Amino acid sequence: EDKVVQSPLSLVVHEGDTVTLNCSYEVTNFRSLLWYKQEKKAPTFLFMLTSSGIEKKSGRLSSILDKKELFSILNITATQTGDSAVYLCAVEFASGNTPLVFGKGTRLSVIA
Amino acid sequence: GAGVSQSPSNKVTEKGKDVELRCDPISGHTALYWYRQSLGQGLEFLIYFQGNSAPDKSGLPSDRFSAERTGGSVSTLTIQRTQQEDSAVYLCASTLAYFGETEAFFGQGTRLTVV
Repeated sequence: EDKVVQSPLSLVVHEGDTVTLNCSYEVTNFRSLLWYKQEKKAPTFLFMLTSSGIEKKSGRLSSILDKKELFSILNITATQTGDSAVYLCAVEFASGNTPLVFGKGTRLSVIA
Repeated sequence: GAGVSQSPSNKVTEKGKDVELRCDPISGHTALYWYRQSLGQGLEFLIYFQGNSAPDKSGLPSDRFSAERTGGSVSTLTIQRTQQEDSAVYLCASTLAYFGETEAFFGQGTRLTVV
């Protein structure tokens, strides 16, 4: 059965801390791994990862994929209270019946 | 059921035909959202239902798109006179309250291909 597992389920940190969110997967027909920040109305797209070992970076956020070990991490440095959200990981399939599988998300709370 | 269920998983249709996509949310969830994801892109908001309130249709890309939610549960997204640019993965999510304030549960999507 295809699955995507995120850890931790929740995390509380202080402003300025660095956090690492994990996403592991067991899927067939892998196409890409997607990270989103769950916000009002729609998740905000953060990164799409298709190749192993290539870090993608956007401001204080970065992410990398390991296709051998089947996981990805999302790093947030110098966290701010505005980073508080649920972060979702999803795997997109190249073919087959299942287009997309989401993890349950990691709820990040950043306190001042 | 245990999660959000969408059907069909895959749909191939000819340009100009109408299609209906179905979403069964988690029982008791008052909010239901439809999104569209084109290949490798982020999620595009389409429409949002909250309880008995009028739906928020602000994301629907054209009047060919419509959605209903019957009895506060099952929802159908209808695309009339499909075009090739409608090809995408259509996702449904349900939550207890408002998206971003509580955990959202996503279905596995319907991959629509218009040929």
